[in-house]
Amino acid sequence: GAVVSQHPSWVICKSGTSVKIECRSLDFQATTMFWYRQFPKQSLMLMATSNEGSKATYEQGVEKDKFLINHASLTLSTLTVTSAHPEDSSFYICSASIRVGGYTFGSGTRLTVV
Amino acid sequence: GIQVEQSPPDLILQEGANSTLRCNFSDSVNNLQWFHQNPWGQLINLFYIPSGTKQNGRLSATTVATERYSLLYISSSQTTDSGVYFCAVGEAGANSKLTFGKGITLSVRP
Repeated sequence: GAVVSQHPSWVICKSGTSVKIECRSLDFQATTMFWYRQFPKQSLMLMATSNEGSKATYEQGVEKDKFLINHASLTLSTLTVTSAHPEDSSFYICSASIRVGGYTFGSGTRLTVV
Repeated sequence: GIQVEQSPPDLILQEGANSTLRCNFSDSVNNLQWFHQNPWGQLINLFYIPSGTKQNGRLSATTVATERYSLLYISSSQTTDSGVYFCAVGEAGANSKLTFGKGITLSVRP
């Protein structure tokens, strides 16, 4: 149980275009979703925390207008990378808390901007 | 913010060997987790261990909160244990955000 389905698994896009990444909680309701970015051989860096029905909370240094997060329902959170550039190429991962001390992660999206 | 340091950064083991992975953190925490990231990027929650000791099969973890460190023990390692092990800390509560360490890359050779 407690599965987060993340799509797409990988995407290649051209510079200047936008890409949407979806995370769906399949068998539970995710009131809060965390979005991380991970560069090769580096740690996970929290980008933002999304809460259902309200605006996301972004970490310092993360551009709100570039990384649009929407959490319109208890089972779906989306991250849209707008006007993507090669430096946005990374591995993006979503996560939800299912109980105190218990986190479940999406399988990640590898974004390559060419 | 809180700092999380993991050591060693890389570890190579022969199958069947035991290992200890360490996580130091700079401030008191109410939430400490160990995760395993497999070579395909999937993260799995191993332990929620803000204090004390827990065991799950060949894995066990100990956190000494007063001394601000946690240890993850892997016994009789298998090739499937390969990957990156992350320690992450945060506040108490079901939706607390986590700060991750840089990870320990483990390679278990047959």
